[in-house]
Amino acid sequence: RKEVEQDPGPFNVPEGATVAFNCTYSNSASQSFFWYRQDCRKEPKLLMSVYSSGNEDGRFTAQLNRASQYISLLIRDSKLSDSATYLCAVNLPNDYKLSFGAGTTVTVRA
Amino acid sequence: GAGVSQSPSNKVTEKGKDVELRCDPISGHTALYWYRQRLGQGLEFLIYFQGNSAPDKSGLPSDRFSAERTGESVSTLTIQRTQQEDSAVYLCASRRTVGSPLHFGNGTRLTVT
Repeated sequence: RKEVEQDPGPFNVPEGATVAFNCTYSNSASQSFFWYRQDCRKEPKLLMSVYSSGNEDGRFTAQLNRASQYISLLIRDSKLSDSATYLCAVNLPNDYKLSFGAGTTVTVRA
Repeated sequence: GAGVSQSPSNKVTEKGKDVELRCDPISGHTALYWYRQRLGQGLEFLIYFQGNSAPDKSGLPSDRFSAERTGESVSTLTIQRTQQEDSAVYLCASRRTVGSPLHFGNGTRLTVT
């Protein structure tokens, strides 16, 4: 089983819609969680860290479900500019290696 | 101040040649990582450096790949006798400490002809 798994998508949604997707991780001891956004032929950029109690940044909401070992990302009121691949990253405590999922592709259409 | 800096941005080389890629991390970031990303694929971990500790080389695909880092500064990734399958974007990233997020450079796009 892979350390971090994501539904590759693509998720095709109209502008203004809400889209959500998950990222599952295999090691229950995982401690730190992040969502990155990667545009075509660009480097990944940090979108947000994921905190235990869940957190929101504008139209983006991240949640952590430790019992089921997944994190989620929800995008409200989707914009065309939200079209990208979203990567999740998971870190074990006291371990410098960060494990990345393969990414979920989101396409927002006009 | 500035983000992670990588050079060159693009590199085209002939099969069999050696290439050297450079990464300048964010000042104060103790950990530095190299990843490879082939077209349409996910991130493939290559190596990381943490301060003066021995690097984790577990992701290097073959002995043609090597990397160095002096202290907490610049790192170079060297690929010897390049092969066409080495064509990819090589991404460098740094982070301040365990638990903090990685910050990526713009990458070096390597094309082996």
